[in-house]
Amino acid sequence: GAVVSQHPSRVICKSGTSVKIECRSLDFQATTMFWYRQFPKQSLMLMATSNEGSKATYEQGVEKDKFLINHASLTLSTLTVTSAHPEDSSFYICSALARRGRGQPQHFGDGTRLSIL
Amino acid sequence: RKEVEQDPGPFNVPEGATVAFNCTYSNSASQSFFWYRQDCRKEPKLLMSVYSSGNEDGRFTAQLNRASQYISLLIRDSKLSDSATYLCVVNPLSQFYFGTGTSLTVIP
Repeated sequence: GAVVSQHPSRVICKSGTSVKIECRSLDFQATTMFWYRQFPKQSLMLMATSNEGSKATYEQGVEKDKFLINHASLTLSTLTVTSAHPEDSSFYICSALARRGRGQPQHFGDGTRLSIL
Repeated sequence: RKEVEQDPGPFNVPEGATVAFNCTYSNSASQSFFWYRQDCRKEPKLLMSVYSSGNEDGRFTAQLNRASQYISLLIRDSKLSDSATYLCVVNPLSQFYFGTGTSLTVIP
């Protein structure tokens, strides 16, 4: 099956640090990648949709200057949490669509647990 | 009205029981439907796609009812390892909408 790798899986850092998370599709080309965050015991919340070669589309309430997304190639998208603060602590998960067209499921990365001290 | 509505549960069932979850959706133009499972502190994993004619994968059966706009997941002969949160996903056009998830605990 389709494999999506996310790195790092765990980050603990000081307030004010910028954190970069990578999402790679290992065995397929992903024209679209999604970034989610999930707080404990809550559902996934879509942050942004990332299309290769174009600007990401952010959901309402998500600051694009705070959460920088770059989708430079068909196999890599990155999310950078700039000047992270404790309230940014969460579980960040990416997913990728294998190819265009209807009927394709998203395949998720392992997730990144971010803790800001 | 939410795009996707799902009973959060929790469902606590004994081992060997049959359990069913439903998920309703509001957009009649929705074309693709999926069930994912998510274990605690892990990412969602695709369980199965839901096809118009219904489909089965071992102990799991997924069904789609377009007239009433809901999808269902039936788990037969529940195992302890089935304990997880089950998410339904509806895909109208280019959007994906997730249910809030149904929590299942299978009790020995």
